[in-house]
Amino acid sequence: AQSVAQPEDQVNVAEGNPLTVKCTYSVSGNPYLFWYVQYPNRGLQFLLKYITGDNLVKGSYGFEAEFNKSQTSFHLKKPSALVSDSALYFCAVRDPGGNEKLTFGTGTRLTIIP
Amino acid sequence: NAGVTQTPKFQVLKTGQSMTLQCAQDMNHEYMSWYRQDPGMGLRLIHYSVGAGITDQGEVPNGYNVSRSTTEDFPLRLLSAAPSQTSVYFCASSYYRGPTDTQYFGPGTRLTVL
Repeated sequence: AQSVAQPEDQVNVAEGNPLTVKCTYSVSGNPYLFWYVQYPNRGLQFLLKYITGDNLVKGSYGFEAEFNKSQTSFHLKKPSALVSDSALYFCAVRDPGGNEKLTFGTGTRLTIIP
Repeated sequence: NAGVTQTPKFQVLKTGQSMTLQCAQDMNHEYMSWYRQDPGMGLRLIHYSVGAGITDQGEVPNGYNVSRSTTEDFPLRLLSAAPSQTSVYFCASSYYRGPTDTQYFGPGTRLTVL
């Protein structure tokens, strides 16, 4: 069965510093990986996804994620954090051999400190 | 396009009451799904549909019914609400071309069962 782990419930970063939100996954084959962001009282918004090819994926709002097959990780990164990046971030995985089912991690609350 | 819309935004029920959460999308997406979001548990799939007339169970289907009579609408029914169903409910949709597709989420319905 596929699964996703987000080891940090909370990440605090000073404004202007680089940020990383961690995600590790487990699937039977090559994974399809996604990052979503949730702002307060809103639905989830798609940030980026990894399907195949380049291990560094660029997404919305200046975010990028690095796929590392040997470490089964898909960490979300941004070179310079903004206060407006404060939100709840979810990593998700889909088994390419399976159906449309998307398995989510438990989420990481990112707080950018001015 | 309005995207994915959900009504109501907030609802309070008493134990044993029934209600229907509405979900609609105007993107002609074949795939629609319902998730519930609980603190520390991420999003869990309740039911999903790959097209009109076709539905299937997700990870936590007990206590919920769905139907898909049209491509646009995918209502979620609670037949006899229980306090354990207090949660935030999200509807999502995507094209059904394969597991690389991005899911688009509605703004959510916050349900409290007393």
